[in-house]
Amino acid sequence: GNSVTQMEGPVTLSEEAFLTINCTYTATGYPSLFWYVQYPGEGLQLLLKATKADDKGSNKGFEATYRKETTSFHLEKGSVQVSDSAVYFCALNQAGTALIFGKGTTLSVSS
Amino acid sequence: GAVVSQHPSWVICKSGTSVKIECRSLDFQATTMFWYRQFPKQSLMLMATSNEGSKATYEQGVEKDKFLINHASLTLSTLTVTSAHPEDSSFYICSARPTGLGFEQYFGPGTRLTVT
Repeated sequence: GNSVTQMEGPVTLSEEAFLTINCTYTATGYPSLFWYVQYPGEGLQLLLKATKADDKGSNKGFEATYRKETTSFHLEKGSVQVSDSAVYFCALNQAGTALIFGKGTTLSVSS
Repeated sequence: GAVVSQHPSWVICKSGTSVKIECRSLDFQATTMFWYRQFPKQSLMLMATSNEGSKATYEQGVEKDKFLINHASLTLSTLTVTSAHPEDSSFYICSARPTGLGFEQYFGPGTRLTVT
């Protein structure tokens, strides 16, 4: 079945450091891929998405590229801020089915 | 736009009682809504898919008689935890997919349930 694997955290960085959170997936066909973010005490928010191979999703300085050849959708940001501290979830879905989430990666950014 | 609300945001109940959680799409219609459960520091696990006007589809291992789902209108789905036990304590999150507008889902803020 479909699944998502993302790097385990926590990830601890200093402000302005480069961020990469790895995400790989297993799916038949061509899923849509997503990154969601959950700030402390809040619900999930869509951060970015990509719906086909080689698409790049971007938002708030975060980027991720849909790589079908490596079945990956790694999240990157060139310079993190303290306000980026949150839990990040990689997810996929196909043909309108429910989202399948990775286990989440906690990011902690210190000043 | 695309706002989903949940009510209540948190609830404490005694063991053996039932609790109802509402999920509403405020500015769009949603034929399909999803209910997830999230344990502390863990991912979201899909519990069931709720389709307006029909019976919910439950994931394997989820007791349909314990977690009653009703999707009576295009803007409201409810999850009732019946005869709650402490192990049902969790964070319950719903999402809603706008009717006819692709596959994007919008999440509610979640409901924290504590069973004492």
